Amino acid sequence: GENVEQHPSTLSVQEGDSAVIKCTYSDSASNYFPWYKQELGKRPQLIIDIRSNVGEKKDQRIAVTLNKTAKHFSLHITETQPEDSAVYFCAASTAQEGNMLTFGGGTRLMVKP
Amino acid sequence: GAVVSQHPSWVICKSGTSVKIECRSLDFQATTMFWYRQFPKQSLMLMATSNEGSKATYEQGVEKDKFLINHASLTLSTLTVTSAHPEDSSFYICSAMAGIAYEQYFGPGTRLTVT
Repeated sequence: GENVEQHPSTLSVQEGDSAVIKCTYSDSASNYFPWYKQELGKRPQLIIDIRSNVGEKKDQRIAVTLNKTAKHFSLHITETQPEDSAVYFCAASTAQEGNMLTFGGGTRLMVKP
Repeated sequence: GAVVSQHPSWVICKSGTSVKIECRSLDFQATTMFWYRQFPKQSLMLMATSNEGSKATYEQGVEKDKFLINHASLTLSTLTVTSAHPEDSSFYICSAMAGIAYEQYFGPGTRLTVT
């Protein structure tokens, strides 16, 4: 089955700086890679996703890059704000596995004002 | 659009009792629903996948006789934790998927505490 590794587990940045979170996956058949933001006690919120036929996707301050050859993808947040503080999860899925999501271990991002 | 609700949002029960959690897709038909469990400061772990009208597929290590899943309609799936124990205390989250689309829509979660 799929295995998703996520690094770092915690990340502290100064407001205005950039934050980068990286994930690797094991199943070359995986073709959908979403990123979620989860605040304490709440549901995961999809913030951006990328499919395997695309190498990069950007939405305002958030971008995701995908390297299929190396089987890794990264989340980039620019101009971080205190409200970006949360736990971020990457995930991977494949239609061959019924689109079930395998999550990374999570990254606790703290943005210091 | 694409709203998923869960009920209850939190529940406290005594050890040995059973608890039912409902997951509903409010504005779309969910061909597939997923149930996750999340312990404090940990990631989401998939428990089972359910398709409407068929038996749920459980992940390795998840006891199907303890965690009963029913997906009776295209808008409702239920998870029943039977004979609950304190170690079952966790945050249970469902998600729903429409058709063959990749995106999953998550419910708000249910905090279960077993005393």
